[in-house]
Amino acid sequence: AQRVTQPEKLLSVFKGAPVELKCNYSYSGSPELFWYVQYSRQRLQLLLRHISRESIKGFTADLNKGETSFHLKKPFAQEEDSAMYYCASLSYNTDKLIFGTGTRLQVFP
Amino acid sequence: DVKVTQSSRYLVKRTGEKVFLECVQDMDHENMFWYRQDPGLGLRLIYFSYDVKMKEKGDIPEGYSVSREKKERFSLILESASTNQTSMYLCASSSDLLAGVYNEQFFGPGTRLTVL
Repeated sequence: AQRVTQPEKLLSVFKGAPVELKCNYSYSGSPELFWYVQYSRQRLQLLLRHISRESIKGFTADLNKGETSFHLKKPFAQEEDSAMYYCASLSYNTDKLIFGTGTRLQVFP
Repeated sequence: DVKVTQSSRYLVKRTGEKVFLECVQDMDHENMFWYRQDPGLGLRLIYFSYDVKMKEKGDIPEGYSVSREKKERFSLILESASTNQTSMYLCASSSDLLAGVYNEQFFGPGTRLTVL
């Protein structure tokens, strides 16, 4: 079965430090991968998807098929980046998303 | 603006009660989903629907049922609420897959259900 693993429950950094939120997936084909974010008291929303290769709010994520990873990175964290981040994979041939367990990012001033 | 609304933000029910959670989307989306969100477990799919009157089980359907009588509305039903169903429930919707391009899931604000 497809799985998405986020090994860190909590990641704490200081403002201006680099951030990397880890995500690994299990799927032998060509996965469609996403990062969703949930800010405090806001609804869950799409941050970025690998297929569009875009950078949103300074975040990027590169698909590494060799390591089956899709880590989320930002060179300089901001306090407003504090949120819950979920990595997700589209289940093969369906519209179902398989979510990881999430990583809470805390950015201290 | 894209909108998915859920009938309640907070709900408190007693064990054994029948509970209805309502979700409405105004984007004419074909697909609708119900998840529960628990700390340390992430989002887990309960049920989803590709079309009116159609439903598919997700990963944790036990103790739940759903109804989709109209395209814009997707209801989650707890037939006999239990304390282990205390959770945050999220509804989402998306458009059909178009030419292999995945369409984003849009989420509602969530309903925090407490079962006493």
